[in-house]
Amino acid sequence: KQEVTQIPAALSVPEGENLVLNCSFTDSAIYNLQWFRQDPGKGLTSLLLIQSSQREQTSGRLNASLDKSSGRSTLYIAASQPGDSATYLCAVPATGANSKLTFGKGITLSVRP
Amino acid sequence: NAGVMQNPRHLVRRRGQEARLRCSPMKGHSHVYWYRQLPEEGLKFMVYLQKENIIDESGMPKERFSAEFPKEGPSILRIQQVVRGDSAAYFCAGGTGGETQYFGPGTRLLVL
Repeated sequence: KQEVTQIPAALSVPEGENLVLNCSFTDSAIYNLQWFRQDPGKGLTSLLLIQSSQREQTSGRLNASLDKSSGRSTLYIAASQPGDSATYLCAVPATGANSKLTFGKGITLSVRP
Repeated sequence: NAGVMQNPRHLVRRRGQEARLRCSPMKGHSHVYWYRQLPEEGLKFMVYLQKENIIDESGMPKERFSAEFPKEGPSILRIQQVVRGDSAAYFCAGGTGGETQYFGPGTRLLVL
């Protein structure tokens, strides 16, 4: 059974800092891995999707990496801003690409002005 | 999550009542996934439906919960005889069966 872990549960950093959010998964036979953002009381916004054949994906100040063999992914946020404050979740499909997602509990990020 | 609609956005029910949550995926999307987010917990898969078919219901509680996605109209998650432990945010996601799921804004259910 796939398990996804995100540690720590919360993180507070000053504005401008570069930071790394970690995600680990137990079953390395994944098809892809996704990072989402969730704002309080809102739905999920997909940030980045990394295919199993890829090592990383970039979008603006965000860079996600994937190491299947070690069961890890990281989300790097450059030059953090207060608007980046949110909960960041990683998720993997259970089997294949078009299947249910298994989520981590998320990391709640607070960027202090 | 643009385009995926869920209603109501907030729902208050008393213990024992029924809750009906609706999800309309984007046009052309015939696959719907339901997830539940309990307080202080991550999102947990509940059920995966394709038009008129339940594909995977391995995450659904055995009793009181049911889901459907009819040929016409929205997908409905139905919770009968709600209990306080059902209070949670319920999210649906739509897609074409490929790797991308588009999430709705969620329905926050509060059971008094």
